[in-house]
Amino acid sequence: DAEITQSPRHKITETGRQVTLACHQTWNHNNMFWYRQDLGHGLRLIHYSYGVHDTNKGEVSDGYSVSRSNTEDLPLTLESAASSQTSVYFCASSESQGMETQYFGPGTRLLVL
Amino acid sequence: GEDVEQSLFLSVREGDSSVINCTYTDSSSTYLYWYKQEPGAGLQLLTYIFSNMDMKQDQRLTVLLNKKDKHLSLRIADTQTGDSAIYFCAETIQGGKLIFGQGTELSVKP
Repeated sequence: DAEITQSPRHKITETGRQVTLACHQTWNHNNMFWYRQDLGHGLRLIHYSYGVHDTNKGEVSDGYSVSRSNTEDLPLTLESAASSQTSVYFCASSESQGMETQYFGPGTRLLVL
Repeated sequence: GEDVEQSLFLSVREGDSSVINCTYTDSSSTYLYWYKQEPGAGLQLLTYIFSNMDMKQDQRLTVLLNKKDKHLSLRIADTQTGDSAIYFCAETIQGGKLIFGQGTELSVKP
């Protein structure tokens, strides 16, 4: 069955380190999204992509970057991790802009010490 | 800017109906969604409603949309302990992006 996966599921890192979170989908969806989930804020959009080599900033993009070299993957990089980036990160994908239903991965819990 | 508001908590007894409410701001939203998140898990698509509909029913779930008031509700009939979760309302905005509410934590007491 087609699916969306994230790795690692849990990560502990230190302030200042570079961290990359992986997201992989097998639906061949054009659109992919990264969110962070924090208490009291719901889900906030970090970056998104509408296709290969396309990337866009979301609401809370500072300190994060993404790249889209193929349809299946959208890795999220924290260039220099900060304690404020401790959060749960979710990746999602959708088929096209005309059908916005997004399907979510299981999430990555990141703790920055 | 766009905003989606939900109450944070709802507590019901098993067998009762639950009603979770949501207000949104973007009148051009084409779809409005309800997602369910169980503890430690990702978001699971529960149901959605197209903006030209007033109501959608799917087994125990009923979604009501009042476009004039920009109000969306999710009714769960015969609520079970397995329905305990966080429920997120989301509206679509330009470019297929979603704006989420803060989530409503539903607690079902036996």
